[in-house]
Amino acid sequence: ETGVTQTPRHLVMGMTNKKSLKCEQHLGHNAMYWYKQSAKKPLELMFVYSLEERVENNSVPSRFSPECPNSSHLFLHLHTLQPEDSALYLCASSQDEGLGSSEAFFGQGTRLTVV
Amino acid sequence: GQNIDQPTEMTATEGAIVQINCTYQTSGFNGLFWYQQHAGEAPTFLSYNVLDGLEEKGRFSSFLSRSKGYSYLLLKELQMKDSASYLCAVRDGNYKLSFGAGTTVTVRA
Repeated sequence: ETGVTQTPRHLVMGMTNKKSLKCEQHLGHNAMYWYKQSAKKPLELMFVYSLEERVENNSVPSRFSPECPNSSHLFLHLHTLQPEDSALYLCASSQDEGLGSSEAFFGQGTRLTVV
Repeated sequence: GQNIDQPTEMTATEGAIVQINCTYQTSGFNGLFWYQQHAGEAPTFLSYNVLDGLEEKGRFSSFLSRSKGYSYLLLKELQMKDSASYLCAVRDGNYKLSFGAGTTVTVRA
């Protein structure tokens, strides 16, 4: 248990569906992240929220839409996805303090399959 | 973008030592992290280096040379449970954390 909880753990969706991934952190951190992990590829940073403001959007297609209603919750809304979007989606949180060195704590991930 | 390189796979025998190298080229530097990830699980934090030198934590040690853009993770007295993927990650000048592709370590009896 890392203090970061993701739901659902597994999701199968069609290309015309709309679904959302949820992440909740119980660590009092002020930054939250979405990463995509595909087989044999590096973890790809998708979005960063710091103090509930989006500070990074790594050229992610608009079919992925993040939402951060408060510092403890992060969502990733999905619509009209493609089969190549099938991957493990990981949420992480950290305490960013300027020159501080907080490590990122990861959730268990959502295994997404687009059919 | 950032460039972080590490070997794809390594195999070692139980009780042995394995060294996983990581080289990086980033825009600025604010620390290097090593994570362990077992299949189907979340990455878990192992070590952090921001100054040159060796950080030791039990059976695991991590080394950093900022001038060379180089780090290694040393795993001693290998156990079967150490079979996992090991991820090198670098925080750049904008505090963005980027990951290498990971090194899969297989420990054999």
